[in-house]
Amino acid sequence: KQEVTQIPAALSVPEGENLVLNCSFTDSAIYNLQWFRQDPGKGLTSLLLIQSSQREQTSGRLNASLDKSSGRSTLYIAASQPGDSATYLCAVYSGGGADGLTFGKGTHLIIQP
Amino acid sequence: GAVVSQHPSWVICKSGTSVKIECRSLDFQATTMFWYRQFPKQSLMLMATSNEGSKATYEQGVEKDKFLINHASLTLSTLTVTSAHPEDSSFYICSAPRQGRNYEQYFGPGTRLTVT
Repeated sequence: KQEVTQIPAALSVPEGENLVLNCSFTDSAIYNLQWFRQDPGKGLTSLLLIQSSQREQTSGRLNASLDKSSGRSTLYIAASQPGDSATYLCAVYSGGGADGLTFGKGTHLIIQP
Repeated sequence: GAVVSQHPSWVICKSGTSVKIECRSLDFQATTMFWYRQFPKQSLMLMATSNEGSKATYEQGVEKDKFLINHASLTLSTLTVTSAHPEDSSFYICSAPRQGRNYEQYFGPGTRLTVT
């Protein structure tokens, strides 16, 4: 059974810093991996999706990498801003059409002004 | 991007009553939708897979008679929490994958259920 782990569980940094969030998964046979953002009491916002054949995806200040063979992904946030404060969730899709996503427990990020 | 809506966004009900939550894909068809539950400060846990035209499949430990799922059309799935109890209070979120877009999952805004 797929398990997803995110480290750290929480992170607080001053504004402007670059930071890295880590995600690992136990079964490397994945179809894709998605990073989401969740604000308190809200739904999920998709940030980046990486296909299993890809190594990285970029969107603005965000860069996500994928090392499928080692079961790892990182989300890099450049020049962090207070508005980036949220919980960041990593989720893997193992394929098969009828399977949902397996989520990590998330990294709670606080950017101090 | 693709839009998935949920209704209601929040609901308070009394113990023993039933509550229906709707999930709609607004600009694409979804033969499959997923229902997740999220307890406070926890991650999302898949509850069940909703299949258009056939029975839903439930994850281990999820009572199918308590959480009734109906996938009425290619754009609508409903989750009915029957005989709700306070321990059913949670945040329920649905998602729909867009098959032509690398199977990217689009999530609804969630429904906050409080059972008193």
